[in-house]
Order: sequence, then structure tokens, then C-alpha cells
Amino acid sequence: DTEVTQTPKHLVMGMTNKKSLKCEQHMGHRAMYWYKQKAKKPPELMFVYSYEKLSINESVPSRFSPECPNSSLLNLHLHALQPEDSALYLCASSQAPWGSNTGELFFGEGSRLTVL
Amino acid sequence: KQEVTQIPAALSVPEGENLVLNCSFTDSAIYNLQWFRQDPGKGLTSLLLIQSSQREQTSGRLNASLDKSSGRSTLYIAASQPGDSATYLCATYGNNRLAFGKGNQVVVIP
Repeated sequence: DTEVTQTPKHLVMGMTNKKSLKCEQHMGHRAMYWYKQKAKKPPELMFVYSYEKLSINESVPSRFSPECPNSSLLNLHLHALQPEDSALYLCASSQAPWGSNTGELFFGEGSRLTVL
Repeated sequence: KQEVTQIPAALSVPEGENLVLNCSFTDSAIYNLQWFRQDPGKGLTSLLLIQSSQREQTSGRLNASLDKSSGRSTLYIAASQPGDSATYLCATYGNNRLAFGKGNQVVVIP
């Protein structure tokens, strides 16, 4: 099973809402990632967790709050977002932790977020 | 800072022709290079991973080569099909950085 599962697939929220994106992998991978992708652009790294600890925060605004409750699960909590935060949010995982040769990166199908 | 370039941004080929996609990078200190496929509005699907010690990888109709010394990788897709229409991205990993190119948007014309 080389699957990374993301829910929900689509999310529409107002600027005052609080919502969460969820990502799961059952491949025993040690690193999990959140990426943001705008139309016709490559993915931009937001956060990296290695062994359930935050390794990288790419200066992401605090209205995005990541959480890694266990080795298989990664959440992204959203609060007070702006319309410009509308994008495809992608989760990924890799066998080896960040900082080593991570090996193959596996992506989920993404959560399409629209902020009104 | 690693810069990954994919040119051209978009291309069209007739069905049956071989596709050749190029990726160049500025920093050869990489662990690996990975090719992905992305369909509109979807996630990234891993196609091939080449470790820095390898020269090429093959999977079915796909073949990817890596020349670290010249900072280049090439993805070959043999006998292209309309289902190969997608955006293809390459990404390098090294120095704690995963760097993506902007992708090649490919249309295979039936």
C-alpha cells in the first residue's frame, strides 16, 4: 500500500471559520509534509514532521497550525484564513526522516480549499 | 540555492511519438531526483526516483536518466498515448531542500 489519504477533498470556508485538513499514511513512513500549490505553480513546502516532531516551518503564517498526533496522521488546522490562502493543499510522506536521504516522496490527492 | 528548470513549459506531440522531457538543476549535491506526474486538480503521482549514485531508472514505457556532473535529467516516454497528457514535474532533494521545477505541460494529440 503506497497510499497517502487526504480528507476532505474539497473545503469551502469563510474567513472567520475554523476547519482542519487531515492526512493519513500507513506505510510506516517517518516523515510527513504539508505543501501548498497554486494553479500552474509547483508545490511550495509549508511544514515537515520527522518522527512526529516539527522539523521545518517555512515561515508559514500562524493561521495555519500543523499537528502530528501519531506517526500515521498529520493535521493542518485552519483559522482566520484569507482569500489568497485558497489553493490545493497536498500532504506527502517519505520513508526516511528529513535531513537524510528521504527516498521516494508519496503525495496524496490533495484538499482543494476555497476561502470566501 | 538549488534552481530546477524545465523547458519548455508546454508542448504538444502526436500520439505514438516518443516524449523527451528535460530537467536541469544548478547544485549537483543531491541525494536523489524524482519525476512526478500531475493531472489537473489532482495530487502528484511518483513516476521514477533516481538516487544520486544511479544513472537511470526504468518503469514500463518510462525511462529517466541522471547526469549529476552536467546537472541534467531526462524523462523519456515511449510511444506516447493521449492518457499521457498531464504536467510532469521533476524535483531534486539535497542540502535539506526539496526543489521543484515548474513542470512541463504535455498534450498528446490523438
